[in-house]
Amino acid sequence: SQQGEEDPQALSIQEGENATMNCSYKTSINNLQWYRQNSGRGLVHLILIRSNEREKHSGRLRVTLDTSKKSSSLLITASRAADTASYFCATDDSARAAGNKLTFGGGTRVLVKP
Amino acid sequence: KAGVTQTPRYLIKTRGQQVTLSCSPISGHRSVSWYQQTPGQGLQFLFEYFSETQRNKGNFPGRFSGRQFSNSRSEMNVSTLELGDSALYLCASRPSPEGSQPQHFGDGTRLSIL
Repeated sequence: SQQGEEDPQALSIQEGENATMNCSYKTSINNLQWYRQNSGRGLVHLILIRSNEREKHSGRLRVTLDTSKKSSSLLITASRAADTASYFCATDDSARAAGNKLTFGGGTRVLVKP
Repeated sequence: KAGVTQTPRYLIKTRGQQVTLSCSPISGHRSVSWYQQTPGQGLQFLFEYFSETQRNKGNFPGRFSGRQFSNSRSEMNVSTLELGDSALYLCASRPSPEGSQPQHFGDGTRLSIL
């Protein structure tokens, strides 16, 4: 079963605009990760934020984590057509601290129009 | 460094048959996980292997099995295939199961059951 939900399910924006997507989860976590998937391809890791971190940046990506609300957000600034993809959040369940199981959300499909 | 390699990329089988999928992790990575991705259920964890031992298993029937070899390469097997097994099967690797580390995914094997 999926850990959480992502919102929105789909997002359409113009090139240059910012894209924001949210992820909610249900259990305590060790960390939360964001992945990108282009059509028909595997997942590409974007950013990992640990449960004791609140915000993290990587290039045009900004991730926030609010463990009290069990939610995270991914912001892509100055979007490009190449950012068109599906974006997934995934949680590493702290109940299995040494485990290697990710629980994924349903994903947000992002379309960036040139 | 070569990425995670999955073979074959595409596979067509009929109901009742069995199938074996292969995954070669990134060199030096000893932890391998498998995920199933379908439009209806999304991304679901199948199992995780480390040092030739299954460490975690997802909520899948016994028809789904896997193994890991001494060189960390992994295979998964699905017996008595059902229509619902049609999916993209993704393999992911990382150096070890411990700690907060991202997973590195292959491009998957797309399995179609007729």
